[in-house]
Amino acid sequence: EIVLTQSPGTLSLSPGERATLSCRASQSVSSNYLAWYQQKPGQAPSLLIYGASSRATGIPDRFSGSGSGTDFTLSISRLEPEDFAVYFCQQYGDSPRTFGQGTKLEIK
Amino acid sequence: EVQLVESGGGLVQPGRSLSLSCAVSGFRFDDYDMHWVRQAPGKGLEWVSAITWNGNNIAYGDSVKGRFTISRDNAKNALYLHMNSLKSEDTALYYCVKRKGGYDSDGYFDLWGRGTLVTVSS
Repeated sequence: EIVLTQSPGTLSLSPGERATLSCRASQSVSSNYLAWYQQKPGQAPSLLIYGASSRATGIPDRFSGSGSGTDFTLSISRLEPEDFAVYFCQQYGDSPRTFGQGTKLEIK
Repeated sequence: EVQLVESGGGLVQPGRSLSLSCAVSGFRFDDYDMHWVRQAPGKGLEWVSAITWNGNNIAYGDSVKGRFTISRDNAKNALYLHMNSLKSEDTALYYCVKRKGGYDSDGYFDLWGRGTLVTVSS
């Protein structure tokens, strides 16, 4: 199975700063079928990005995804207070679907 | 309103069984593949099982294969997960999850329930 490794484990930033989260796959992700999810405390994950770079419906344009093959990035251009959460990447190109272990974005 | 509502979680002893349900509303349930994903306390996400829209194809993660059974009733707009021989490592919040669509490019999850907590402990 494809192992996804996210880094850093925790990212401490201030509102207004730019966040860059990494997701590295143990082998190439088929057709760049890579999604990002946001999970706030006590809530279910919600879809942010699919196909490595397409924003889901209603997601602000300060969120962007990039990358291909084995290296993917989620960027948040100007952090808003509501963006501090845990972010997971997931590949859906191969079975079984696998998730990264998550990056916690916390307020500095 | 489009929603997935899980139920059936609780405290169960190791080796016992438990069944989870997911009630679906707000979309045409029988058009979509459905999944279960779990999250152990303070941990990441683990895919558990999947079932196609018509129930003809089913898959399980290695950690639950042979112990868990996924099923669905399209007439009742419901998804199920029957769990046998439960272990302490099955303790988790279990999410009912909808796949975006049938094409490979739509294999991501666009709708999640709030989850139901399963605790396996003596």
